[in-house]
Parts: sequence; C-alpha cells; structure tokens
Amino acid sequence: AQSVTQLGSHVSVSEGALVLLRCNYSSSVPPYLFWYVQYPNQGLQLLLKYTSAATLVKGINGFEAEFKKSETSFHLTKPSAHMSDAAEYFCAVTYTGRRALTFGSGTRLQVQP
Amino acid sequence: GAGVSQSPSNKVTEKGKDVELRCDPISGHTALYWYRQSLGQGLEFLIYFQGNSAPDKSGLPSDRFSAERTGGSVSTLTIQRTQQEDSAVYLCASSPTGQGVDTEAFFGQGTRLTVV
Repeated sequence: AQSVTQLGSHVSVSEGALVLLRCNYSSSVPPYLFWYVQYPNQGLQLLLKYTSAATLVKGINGFEAEFKKSETSFHLTKPSAHMSDAAEYFCAVTYTGRRALTFGSGTRLQVQP
Repeated sequence: GAGVSQSPSNKVTEKGKDVELRCDPISGHTALYWYRQSLGQGLEFLIYFQGNSAPDKSGLPSDRFSAERTGGSVSTLTIQRTQQEDSAVYLCASSPTGQGVDTEAFFGQGTRLTVV
C-alpha cells in the first residue's frame, strides 16, 4: 500500500523567507509523486510532479521539489515566499498501473507580511 | 469547456435524503475521477472512470455511494440515505488520457455537501 505523510498541518513563514513543506512517502514500488496547491475556494492545481526522470523537479510559481529515495522524501521548497503563496498544499503519490492519487492530509501555508 | 465544472457548488440536505452531484469534465478528457475532501482528512479517492472501461470503484466507502458516467462525458455521483459523516467537499477531476501515471489531473472547484 502507498501513503504520504505531510509533516505539519500549518506552516507560517514571513514574506521573503524560505518555504519548506515536508512530504514523506511509503511505497513498495517506484512512486510517482505530485504536489498540488489549493487556493481558497478554488480547485486543486498541479505545482509539479516527479515521474522518474530528474530528481530535482521545478514547478510553477518558483516552487521546486527534490526526490530523495534514501530518505523517502519529496519536500517542496521555494527560496522566497510571497503573500500570494498562501494556500493549502497537498502531496500525492501513485504508481504504474494505478491512476488514482493517494493524497496527504495537506499543509496550510500562511505568509506573514 | 474551459475547465472541470461541478454543480451545485453547495448543497445542504437533510439526513436520510438522496443527493446527486454533477461533474462536467474538460471536453475530450477520457479519464474522470471523484475524490472526497473531509475536514482534517485530506483527499480520499472514490471512483475512477476511463473511457468505456469498467470503473474502478475501490474507493467508494459504502454501497450508499454510486456513480455513473454517461456517454463518456458527464458524471453523476449519487449518495443515498445521506448521513452526517457524508458532509465533505466532493471534488471531480479529469485528465486527457488514461495512459501514463504522469498525466495531469485537472480539478473542479468541488461541491460542498452539508448533511443536517
């Protein structure tokens, strides 16, 4: 069975500070990993995805994530937070042969001025 | 359409009533998914449709839940004899192909269901 764990249901950073949202996965087969963002009253939007190519993945809005097999992690980072980054972020996993995503419980990011 | 459309956006129903939630996927998308987003529990997979293949119903929580997809396009999620624990946001997503796990799923804004 696959699962993802997002450490920290709420993260608060200052504008301009580093954003680090943690995601650890559990999978018995090679995983495909995703980060989605959900802005208030909107649907989920794909930020980036890892599909066994480059381990460092760059996404939209300046976000990136690094797949580390040894640590079973896929943490999301952004060097400098912007007020518009305030949203809920979801890590998700799937694998070949399964189309549905297994999501983490989400991390709500607050950006303080 | 421009995106995945779900209706209604909000639904309040009395316990024991049946409800139908509708999803219009992006035109041409062959794959359609339903997820449930409950407070504090993240997103839970419910059901997956791919073209004319039999749907993957492995995520449906009980036999009160069912879904159909007519003509490979619009989908309806039906919850019979609703219970308070069914209160959640129901999200629909579609993707352009059934092949390739890296295919992006596009999500609708969801239907917020409240059972009173």
